[in-house]
Amino acid sequence: DAGVIQSPRHEVTEMGQEVTLRCKPISGHDYLFWYRQTMMRGLELLIYFNNNVPIDDSGMPEDRFSAKMPNASFSTLKIQPSEPRDSAVYFCASSHRDWSSYEQYFGPGTRLTVT
Amino acid sequence: AQSVTQPDIHITVSEGASLELRCNYSYGATPYLFWYVQSPGQGLQLLLKYFSGDTLVQGIKGFEAEFKRSQSSFNLRKPSVHWSDAAEYFCAVGARAAGNKLTFGGGTRVLVKP
Repeated sequence: DAGVIQSPRHEVTEMGQEVTLRCKPISGHDYLFWYRQTMMRGLELLIYFNNNVPIDDSGMPEDRFSAKMPNASFSTLKIQPSEPRDSAVYFCASSHRDWSSYEQYFGPGTRLTVT
Repeated sequence: AQSVTQPDIHITVSEGASLELRCNYSYGATPYLFWYVQSPGQGLQLLLKYFSGDTLVQGIKGFEAEFKRSQSSFNLRKPSVHWSDAAEYFCAVGARAAGNKLTFGGGTRVLVKP
């Protein structure tokens, strides 16, 4: 398996623009997680899905952030409009529903810079 | 709700020396515990995990961790550090009641001196 795939790997955009980050989880995994990592706040869980349904979005910073999972093999995280404080590395991770396999597999991340 | 504390933000160790990273968790029932490593510019990679059974677990890259229920700890150790072990290390806790959600600690950055 190719692992969790994220695109783009780097994104530079201007304040006010819409940004869409993409994630393809590992085939057969039922859970998908979006994290944000910054120096100041560390690794934060933004939202996670189970079987394409959002389960907990309490970590989403504000209404400018939205996430969708239209099918089992694709998810997007959208920021509209983007702001400089959104600059961070965004990770997608997936895991299997089997409780004995709780480990999450992380993608390489998308480094977002908002100028 | 569960929580994880990694008391050491930075640790510097000489190559060949031993390494121990501390992790304390808070959770009412038996937790599932993980250690992840993040090399610069990379995603997180699982080093090892504890679900039940033997409290000393072996992982990849020569790492091991010991679960101590009485101390609510899950410390990571390596007998002899290599320069390639320079990275950030994250402890995480999960619980069956929380679904597949993990709570991560703040991380410990390890620097290796030649």
